[in-house]
Amino acid sequence: EDQVTQSPEALRLQEGESSSLNCSYTVSGLRGLFWYRQDPGKGPEFLFTLYSAGEEKEKERLKATLTKKESFLHITAPKPEDSATYLCAVQAGGSGSRLTFGEGTQLTVNP
Amino acid sequence: NAGVMQNPRHLVRRRGQEARLRCSPMKGHSHVYWYRQLPEEGLKFMVYLQKENIIDESGMPKERFSAEFPKEGPSILRIQQVVRGDSAAYFCASSPRWTGYGNQPQHFGDGTRLSIL
Repeated sequence: EDQVTQSPEALRLQEGESSSLNCSYTVSGLRGLFWYRQDPGKGPEFLFTLYSAGEEKEKERLKATLTKKESFLHITAPKPEDSATYLCAVQAGGSGSRLTFGEGTQLTVNP
Repeated sequence: NAGVMQNPRHLVRRRGQEARLRCSPMKGHSHVYWYRQLPEEGLKFMVYLQKENIIDESGMPKERFSAEFPKEGPSILRIQQVVRGDSAAYFCASSPRWTGYGNQPQHFGDGTRLSIL
């Protein structure tokens, strides 16, 4: 069974204080690892897809990396508007199109 | 707005009633996925549909739940004889083609919050 574990559950940062969110996964044949951002009362908003170990993707203050067991979402010099829940999801070879999500990291950035 | 549209945004039902949740995919998308987010839990896959076909319903509860995606019109998630435990946020996602190779992200709507009295 595919499993995704995100840590920490919650993270509070000061504006400008860089940090990383972790996503550990156990799947049979990773097809893709996805990062989403979810604001309160909204649906997940797609950020990145990573396919193979060593791959990196960047978007503004966010950078996602992937190893064979985990992915990191690095947030550089965050701003209050980066406050949201960040979700990690995997798609595995034996699971068709379904995404298996972690429970998310709730990020709060204080001004 | 060309995004995934879900309605209603909020739905209140009494125990034993039926709930119908609608999802219109993004323009040009013919694949629809339904996920459920229970309070304090992560998103869980329910069902994957293409036009007029159910492709994967392995995440759907065996009783009371059904889904369809007709040739014309939105996808419908139907819950019969609702119970308190059905209270959750139900999200729909869409993609332009099969996403099984991880090469196509699924794009989500803002969900329907279902409350059971």
